[in-house]
Amino acid sequence: SSELTQDPAVSVALGQTVRITCQGDSLRIYYASWYQQRPGQAPLLIVYARNSRPSGIPDRFSGSSSGNTASLTITGAQADDESVYYCSSRDSSSDKWLFGGGTRLTVL
Amino acid sequence: QVDLVESGGGVVQPGGSLRLSCATFGFTFSDYGMHWVRQAPGRGLEWVAFVKYDGTRKYTTDSVQGRFIISRDNSRNTLSLQMNGLTPEDTGLYFCARDMRAVMGLSPYYYMDVWGKGTTVVVSS
Repeated sequence: SSELTQDPAVSVALGQTVRITCQGDSLRIYYASWYQQRPGQAPLLIVYARNSRPSGIPDRFSGSSSGNTASLTITGAQADDESVYYCSSRDSSSDKWLFGGGTRLTVL
Repeated sequence: QVDLVESGGGVVQPGGSLRLSCATFGFTFSDYGMHWVRQAPGRGLEWVAFVKYDGTRKYTTDSVQGRFIISRDNSRNTLSLQMNGLTPEDTGLYFCARDMRAVMGLSPYYYMDVWGKGTTVVVSS
């Protein structure tokens, strides 16, 4: 079955750059979207259509895509960026949507 | 202001039923597809169901197929999820989310741009 794979956890030093990746066959067809989820809160859309950001999302968040891999890059990570990040895309082999398992980001 | 407000969650015994609702505000509901997404305690996001803007297409994840029914009432700007045959594995926080889609070059893209705060479902005896 189709799936999106993310590393469970990633850490980054304050002010440094971190890349969170998402792999899956569906990403060869559809762009990923990325969501930030803080504890006890609803997911928040931060990147869509490879590298577009909704209004209000800082430009330190950016997206990219190559082959079956989508990436979310945070340039100059802030303490406030500590969250779980999920990728998502339409499933290219069915009428369903997919979420990655989530990556917990720790800012050291 | 665009907003989604879920309701209808609660505690139910295995095999029971619940009906979730999602009231929508601040946009033309009948122009957008809508999703239900859930999150089991301590786990990740799981897509549950989608309904097209006009209600003519409905899709569900395999684990709820035949038990959950997504529907919408465009006259009342409301999305619903009828959940039957509930099991403990259905326990979680249920979010509604607005569907967005477009094309960039030749590549289509989909995303969920607005989310509600969720309503909690607990299935336990």
